[in-house]
Amino acid sequence: KAGVTQTPRYLIKTRGQQVTLSCSPISGHRSVSWYQQTPGQGLQFLFEYFSETQRNKGNFPGRFSGRQFSNSRSEMNVSTLELGDSALYLCASSLALGGGVADTQYFGPGTRLTVL
Amino acid sequence: AQSVSQHNHHVILSEAASLELGCNYSYGGTVNLFWYVQYPGQHLQLLLKYFSGDPLVKGIKGFEAEFIKSKFSFNLRKPSVQWSDTAEYFCAVMDYGGSQGNLIFGKGTKLSVKP
Repeated sequence: KAGVTQTPRYLIKTRGQQVTLSCSPISGHRSVSWYQQTPGQGLQFLFEYFSETQRNKGNFPGRFSGRQFSNSRSEMNVSTLELGDSALYLCASSLALGGGVADTQYFGPGTRLTVL
Repeated sequence: AQSVSQHNHHVILSEAASLELGCNYSYGGTVNLFWYVQYPGQHLQLLLKYFSGDPLVKGIKGFEAEFIKSKFSFNLRKPSVQWSDTAEYFCAVMDYGGSQGNLIFGKGTKLSVKP
């Protein structure tokens, strides 16, 4: 079974630009979560999508947004990029069994975003 | 809000030494606990998980972890480390506050194993 895939793997942008990152979950997984990983802050939760709806959101500004398509693929968009947005952006997918049933998230390789 | 503490930022061991990495979480109640590992240049991989049942869980590559509810702890152990265990280890707790898509991670522990 193919794992979580993320594209592109590396990206260089300048301040003020916007960027879109893509994530394809493991086949059959319905939930996609996004995380930001930086040396200073570690791994921080951005948001989670399930059945094309944002179910959960972390403490990030509105410049960070996302969406999920009917095939469970997800995109994350960051507008008006700042230097501090330079990070590894990780996507994770899970079955999302629902009802609080314990579930496991599987991570992709990430997209390394550098903002100059 | 839930938080996760990993006590050691960087641990340096010689091969064959025993390993124990500490992890404590702040919230009591039903928790799902995970250890992930990130080898140099690779993505996060699940090492092991605890959902319920036997508090001693075994994972891949000889790792195990013990859930101690009274201490809010989920420490990772390995009896004898190898050079290939050099990696960063993350403890995480699933926060079911609103839904189930929010993993709270510790800051990570870098493990360096000297050959």
